[in-house]
Amino acid sequence: KAGVTQTPRYLIKTRGQQVTLSCSPISGHRSVSWYQQTPGQGLQFLFEYFSETQRNKGNFPGRFSGRQFSNSRSEMNVSTLELGDSALYLCASSLELGYEQYFGPGTRLTVT
Amino acid sequence: QQQVKQSPQSLIVQKGGIPIINCAYENTAFDYFPWYQQFPGKGPALLIAIRPDVSEKKEGRFTISFNKSAKQFSLHIMDSQPGDSATYFCAAVDNYGQNFVFGPGTRLSVLP
Repeated sequence: KAGVTQTPRYLIKTRGQQVTLSCSPISGHRSVSWYQQTPGQGLQFLFEYFSETQRNKGNFPGRFSGRQFSNSRSEMNVSTLELGDSALYLCASSLELGYEQYFGPGTRLTVT
Repeated sequence: QQQVKQSPQSLIVQKGGIPIINCAYENTAFDYFPWYQQFPGKGPALLIAIRPDVSEKKEGRFTISFNKSAKQFSLHIMDSQPGDSATYFCAAVDNYGQNFVFGPGTRLSVLP
């Protein structure tokens, strides 16, 4: 079974721009969660989607948004990028509730 | 109350040693405790997980010990190998599977 895939793997953007990251969960998994990982803050939860509905949201500004499609694929969007948004963005999928989460390789976003 | 504390921040052991990583939590609603292993440039990979009704769980060289009354749990790596050198994260998930909180991570180095 293929694992979680994330595209693109690397991205360089300029302050003020917006970015969209994509995640394809493991086949059959219906829950997708997004995390931001930085050296200073560690792994921080962004949001979780299940059956196209956002079920849970972390403590991030409204510039961070996401959605899930009917095939369980998910996208997250960051608008008006700031330097502090530079991070590894990880997507994780799970069958139903978020207990056993399987992570993708991440998208490394650099904001200059 | 939502935090998961993890120690030590970094750990160096010789090959064959038994590194121990400790985590503690406050929120009694947490009922699932996974450990993740992350290599540089990769997403975290689920290693082993435990629920509070069990005091110990072993999978291969990895063992979780759980102390429900103290709200603490730990990861032991038996016969550690240089290939185990990675960052290890403990996590705690609440009883709805929605609140997934990670510890700050422990960087383990196993010397040959």
